Amino acid sequence: EVQLLESGGGLVQPGGSLRLSCAASGFTFSNCAMSWVRQAPGKGLEWVSAISDNGGSTYYADSVKGRFTISRDNSKNTLSLQMNSLRAEDTAVYYCAKRVEGTWYYFDYWGQGTLVSVSS
Amino acid sequence: QSVVTQPPSASGTPGQRVTMSCSGRSSSIGSNSVTWYQQLPGTAPKVLIYSNNQRSSGVPDRFSGSKSGTSASLAISGLQSEDEADYYCAAWDDSLNGYVFGTGTKVTVL
Repeated sequence: EVQLLESGGGLVQPGGSLRLSCAASGFTFSNCAMSWVRQAPGKGLEWVSAISDNGGSTYYADSVKGRFTISRDNSKNTLSLQMNSLRAEDTAVYYCAKRVEGTWYYFDYWGQGTLVSVSS
Repeated sequence: QSVVTQPPSASGTPGQRVTMSCSGRSSSIGSNSVTWYQQLPGTAPKVLIYSNNQRSSGVPDRFSGSKSGTSASLAISGLQSEDEADYYCAAWDDSLNGYVFGTGTKVTVL
């Protein structure tokens, strides 16, 4: 059974940093590209960042470029998101999402999400 | 501000057919396949339709998707109370070099 378990969310002051982690199991992690998707309270989904299966390619939404860094450790089946210079508008539930293997681009499994609150 | 737009709401009575649109641009929907996600209240999204019109495993056949040019649509026939949820379309955008979600449509079963 595929499982994605996010952790690391919490309350942080504006300008602060936070590191999110996603522990993956139930599939061959090193074969799959991964992403982070967030959802502000009462708002829609926003793609944040993606990383290729081997970690060699990374992609970011303009809203987080230069502040967030996505990474992965295939030996530990773990995806991470380092978030720096946090702003109030970064407040959201952050989901870890697995991209389906193959040519299609969509997310076939999602974690339960971890809440990040940026407030003084 | 999302570059993929959806109507904010749609509604119908049980048994009715409900449709919702998804409008993008040439670099997103016009060039790449569309996925539809369903998000039930308080839960993570799940994929309903991928590759424009392919139902994901376990999705009832009353859900159907289509795409034409830079727009796509999702139809729910035989609407049921458990279909009350938020629905998002999404696609890769070649210009943004990123994945874009639509603004979302909230479906209400009257």
